Amino acid sequence: EVQLVESGGGLAEPGGSLRLSCAASGFTFSNAWMNWVRQAPGKGLEWVGRIKSKTDGGTTDYAAPVKARFIISRDDSRKTVWLQMDSLKTEDTGVYYCASHYTSWHWGQGTLVTVSS
Amino acid sequence: DIQMTQSPSTLSASVGDRVTITCRASQSINSWLAWYQQKPGKAPKVLICKASSLESGVPSRFSGSGSGTEFTLTISSLQPDDFATYYCQQYDSSPYTFGQGTKLEIK
Repeated sequence: EVQLVESGGGLAEPGGSLRLSCAASGFTFSNAWMNWVRQAPGKGLEWVGRIKSKTDGGTTDYAAPVKARFIISRDDSRKTVWLQMDSLKTEDTGVYYCASHYTSWHWGQGTLVTVSS
Repeated sequence: DIQMTQSPSTLSASVGDRVTITCRASQSINSWLAWYQQKPGKAPKVLICKASSLESGVPSRFSGSGSGTEFTLTISSLQPDDFATYYCQQYDSSPYTFGQGTKLEIK
């Protein structure tokens, strides 16, 4: 069974940092492209960014609102992907989901990030 | 960026109804489209990948069709558990983008 478990969410001040983790199991992690998606309170889904598999180059792409502030990385030996979030803004508040894509999509249950002073 | 336009934004229907939700892409995405169901406080559930491929465990009353720029999600006979918000997502090219969502309400 595919499982994605996010952690690391919490309260941060504007301008601060948080690092989210996503631990994967139940599939060949090294083959998957790993994504982060967020959802602001009462709003729709917003794709944050993605890291490709190493065999596909391991490159990253980001949505415009987070480019240059967020960094996605992965460790295939630990089956884990991270989202480093710096220079946080109040508009970054929301639930952050980890999502894997290989032949199909799988999502975690999400972790709540609140950016507030 | 590819824009995804979902319609309608809200849909009122009754148990047993057949409903269709449409998603239009601003440019061709081939068949790289997924459909999700989300209930309040829960993570999105994947219903369909690659426009028409039903995910394991998803009831057969759900179906997806389309390619290029126009896609549909059809529920053949609404069940009480189906009242939720539905999203489409293109994953043809980065940045991946979502439709704004369709809230399916009980009439």
